[in-house]
Amino acid sequence: EIVLTQSPATLSLSPGERATLSCGASQSVSSSYLAWYQQKPGLAPRLLIYDASSRATGIPDRFSGSGSGTDFTLTISRLEPEDFAVYYCQQYGSSPPWTFGQGTKVEIK
Amino acid sequence: EVQLVESGGGLVQPGGSLRLSCAASGFTFSSYWMSWVRQAPGKGLEWVANIKQDGSEKYYVDSVKGRFTISRDNAKNSLYLQMNSLRAEDTAVYYCARDFEGSSPSPLGYWGQGTLVTVSS
Repeated sequence: EIVLTQSPATLSLSPGERATLSCGASQSVSSSYLAWYQQKPGLAPRLLIYDASSRATGIPDRFSGSGSGTDFTLTISRLEPEDFAVYYCQQYGSSPPWTFGQGTKVEIK
Repeated sequence: EVQLVESGGGLVQPGGSLRLSCAASGFTFSSYWMSWVRQAPGKGLEWVANIKQDGSEKYYVDSVKGRFTISRDNAKNSLYLQMNSLRAEDTAVYYCARDFEGSSPSPLGYWGQGTLVTVSS
């Protein structure tokens, strides 16, 4: 099983600032099959990024993903008020289970 | 529009059983892998199980193997999760989710609103 470790646990930033979230894998993620999701309180997660760097349908271009192997990054170039939420990474490329990271909360400073 | 609507959650005693359902609409259900993902109160996401388009392949997280069974009825556009021998640690919101793309592997592109399962005496 691939273990995903996200850092930091909490990121305190102001609107307009740049957010950099990290996701480290315990072993190489096959073919960069890594996704990022956003979750707001009381709502289901929303797919943001897949295949490490492809934006899902309707996702603003201020969200970008990068990385390969065991190190991946989600960058939000300029935080909008609606971006304050919890973000999860997930790998779906190796044998099951398709594990999630523990999440990074982006909060308003 | 893709819609996934879960039902069947509720309060159940430890050792009991519950069957979750997910009604799908707005897409060709039989063309996609489907998954169940859960989230314990105040905790992160945990992938639980998934099932291939024709039901011929099923995978589970270790903690539910032998207790939970995922199934689907393509004629009814429905996904199910039969949960037996429930434990307190199974308490969570259970989400039904569809693969983003019809080819595997694929992330989870569409999610239902979730149904709460509470295991308590």
